[in-house]
Amino acid sequence: DQQVKQNSPSLSVQEGRISILNCDYTNSMFDYFLWYKKYPAEGPTFLISISSIKDKNEDGRFTVFLNKSAKHLSLHIVPSQPGDSAVYFCAASAQGGSEKLVFGKGTKLTVNP
Amino acid sequence: DADVTQTPRNRITKTGKRIMLECSQTKGHDRMYWYRQDPGLGLRLIYYSFDVKDINKGEISDGYSVSRQAQAKFSLSLESAIPNQTALYFCATSHPVGTGSTDTQYFGPGTRLTVL
Repeated sequence: DQQVKQNSPSLSVQEGRISILNCDYTNSMFDYFLWYKKYPAEGPTFLISISSIKDKNEDGRFTVFLNKSAKHLSLHIVPSQPGDSAVYFCAASAQGGSEKLVFGKGTKLTVNP
Repeated sequence: DADVTQTPRNRITKTGKRIMLECSQTKGHDRMYWYRQDPGLGLRLIYYSFDVKDINKGEISDGYSVSRQAQAKFSLSLESAIPNQTALYFCATSHPVGTGSTDTQYFGPGTRLTVL
């Protein structure tokens, strides 16, 4: 049973436009959500996170939105840059982040110049 | 210098061989994790350790064992490797900062293991 779902395996956008990556979850105990970015031949790197007490968190070009009622979160990248091309993983945990992470399958973002 | 290192970075082995993957960290974190990544399947947790005396099975621990030799070292062993253990393996670390606070995991560069 997949608790964290990223239903789009890939996404392609033009440089300068907005990239929207989506993530759905099924476990209502999840209260902390993270996005990781992964380049080929490297480990995932932490990008941005959000606690369930918030519905939005922003860090520069990256914004994560959380809709608890829909059990849905999204990552917005504005403006998208070619260097953003990577695989993005959504992850969730319970108890304020103190429990182990559950990852989605990832979405490969390609930003075309 | 990298905070989380993994050795080897690449390994090709044969079915039935014993393999050990090593992870070291200089972040001073208590918690360490082993994941595997397969194409289209994301990251799945194999084992995790919240301190030197604490070892826990993750989602897919069958066929694997671990050893937490010190706070900074966490090894993953495949006692008798099989082809479906061919995957990318990642070590991660984290440090609990209190209830309601973040527990971000920091990943090593990965080990690509191929079992023939």
